[in-house]
Amino acid sequence: NAGVTQTPKFQVLKTGQSMTLQCAQDMNHNSMYWYRQDPGMGLRLIYYSASEGTTDKGEVPNGYNVSRLNKREFSLRLESAAPSQTSVYFCASSDLWGATSYNEQFFGPGTRLTVL
Amino acid sequence: KQEVTQIPAALSVPEGENLVLNCSFTDSAIYNLQWFRQDPGKGLTSLLLIQSSQREQTSGRLNASLDKSSGRSTLYIAASQPGDSATYLCAVFTGANSKLTFGKGITLSVRP
Repeated sequence: NAGVTQTPKFQVLKTGQSMTLQCAQDMNHNSMYWYRQDPGMGLRLIYYSASEGTTDKGEVPNGYNVSRLNKREFSLRLESAAPSQTSVYFCASSDLWGATSYNEQFFGPGTRLTVL
Repeated sequence: KQEVTQIPAALSVPEGENLVLNCSFTDSAIYNLQWFRQDPGKGLTSLLLIQSSQREQTSGRLNASLDKSSGRSTLYIAASQPGDSATYLCAVFTGANSKLTFGKGITLSVRP
């Protein structure tokens, strides 16, 4: 099992360019998440998908869109990149959704994005 | 609003030392707490998950404890090794939007 995979590993964009970050999991998990990690800020939730066909905003959704393509894949799109979106982006998945003590999240290796 | 604090931000110890990493959180209404390890330039590896009804979890040389009422968790690393050098993050799960709230991490350096 590869677990959670993300592509690309690194990306440099110019301000105003668009791109899509891809995430896939092979653990048959129902829920998927996108976080960003910034120095001094910790990890913050951007968007999440409780189950296939549903998506919702997290803490910092502005400037992003997501698509839950199927149960395995959850993509994050930057329509018009800004320098403030320079960050490391992590995708995560969990088997269960909601208020349960069994909700354990597993993370991918991350995409390091620089916006010039 | 839930806040998670990890102090100190960095720690350097000699090899072989037993050490404790601390994590505190402001809202005790959590469902579980996860400890992660992050190597430089890498993703997060889940080390231990403690459910709200549990007091501790063990995996090899790692032992994590949870005291919900006081809003504290500790990660105990026995007989530290240079390979333990990494950043250790704790995160609490409150159930709201299934969001994990992370601390900023403790960067551990184990000197040979």
